[in-house]
Amino acid sequence: DSGVTQTPKHLITATGQRVTLRCSPRSGDLSVYWYQQSLDQGLQFLIQYYNGEERAKGNILERFSAQQFPDLHSELNLSSLELGDSALYFCASSVGGSLGAKNIQYFGAGTRLSVL
Amino acid sequence: AQKITQTQPGMFVQEKEAVTLDCTYDTSDPSYGLFWYKQPSSGEMIFLIYQGSYDQQNATEGRYSLNFQKARKSANLVISASQLGDSAMYFCAVNTGTASKLTFGTGTRLQVTL
Repeated sequence: DSGVTQTPKHLITATGQRVTLRCSPRSGDLSVYWYQQSLDQGLQFLIQYYNGEERAKGNILERFSAQQFPDLHSELNLSSLELGDSALYFCASSVGGSLGAKNIQYFGAGTRLSVL
Repeated sequence: AQKITQTQPGMFVQEKEAVTLDCTYDTSDPSYGLFWYKQPSSGEMIFLIYQGSYDQQNATEGRYSLNFQKARKSANLVISASQLGDSAMYFCAVNTGTASKLTFGTGTRLQVTL
């Protein structure tokens, strides 16, 4: 058990809908990362938050947004869903942000999103 | 930008044998970290081992060791005494001091046989 909690584990929804994925980082970790894993794109970084502030952005679609709350949990909001958004979404957490190369990220079990 | 190459899409190894999974990387940042993760069929991503670019010795964690050849930009994972439970996808990843996001390779699927 990595200590990172993601809910829900599975999500099935229809095109055009909006969903929220939730992540609780490991105790003491200030940084949260979101990744998307799909068959065609592989594992891709979406966005990083550090202590409530957005730190880095990857190839995140405009339909997607995220935030990190004062208690350090994070939510990833996906709207106007399309079939191609079906993927495994991971949250990871680490102690620091961009404080150097040693920044081990521990992953949650992921949320599997199916858009029908 | 960083890039990770894993050239072995699939590997087979017999139980109790050692296996090496290849990983080469490309980054212009002198300070970086190399990571290996395991993804079993259940889907979770499990951290295995870390190597820093300035570390003098190869990293080891139990049955996992990292064969780090900095000049060749390779960071191969060695699993000793393979077990059936080692069957999974293995991903190599890199981050740098200026961009802590992980960049992943395409993965190697390892199958351990009796």
